[in-house]
Amino acid sequence: LAKTTQPISMDSYEGQEVNITCSHNNIATNDYITWYQQFPSQGPRFIIQGYKTKVTNEVASLFIPADRKSSTLSLPRVSLSDTAVYYCLVDDSTLTFGKGTMLLVSP
Amino acid sequence: DAGVTQSPTHLIKTRGQHVTLRCSPISGHKSVSWYQQVLGQGPQFIFQYYEKEERGRGNFPDRFSARQFPNYSSELNVNALLLGDSALYLCASSWTPGTGDTEAFFGQGTRLTVV
Repeated sequence: LAKTTQPISMDSYEGQEVNITCSHNNIATNDYITWYQQFPSQGPRFIIQGYKTKVTNEVASLFIPADRKSSTLSLPRVSLSDTAVYYCLVDDSTLTFGKGTMLLVSP
Repeated sequence: DAGVTQSPTHLIKTRGQHVTLRCSPISGHKSVSWYQQVLGQGPQFIFQYYEKEERGRGNFPDRFSARQFPNYSSELNVNALLLGDSALYLCASSWTPGTGDTEAFFGQGTRLTVV
């Protein structure tokens, strides 16, 4: 069984806020929730990580409800350069990537 | 500061040949992991090394092997190459092998093409 479920693709326009939700019903007590961004032919890049509640950094926010069975990555005011694949991971040892969400930002 | 460096960046090999891919982690990082990414899929875990010892292995055949050196750099070896081994091979380094409360840094990858 996949550890996480997220939409295959999303479309947005420049300047909009984008929220990508990830389901992880079987998350374990020791698991952290981590999001990575990947551009074509490049390695994934860490965006944000959290365990519970809300985490914010200079590029994104991560919202985690109390039951931790889902999480939402929020990208404020996206630009064309945010077009990429976004991966949601829940692991305590090795990183397990799913297929990710392909975000397309249009002008 | 130098990030994770991988070499070579591109490689073309013939079926049945052997290949060695190299990775230098960020200075101070002691954990290195290898991933295979085929087109359209997310990276798949191959190996994890920490302090020169194997800490994890993914579902890959024995043709795949790796090691970590005293300076924490690492090599991934693949024997008897198959067409299906064509992929982007990624190396990631981190302070510790766990993923909780730590960030993994990925290299740009090695694009391997098997013909």
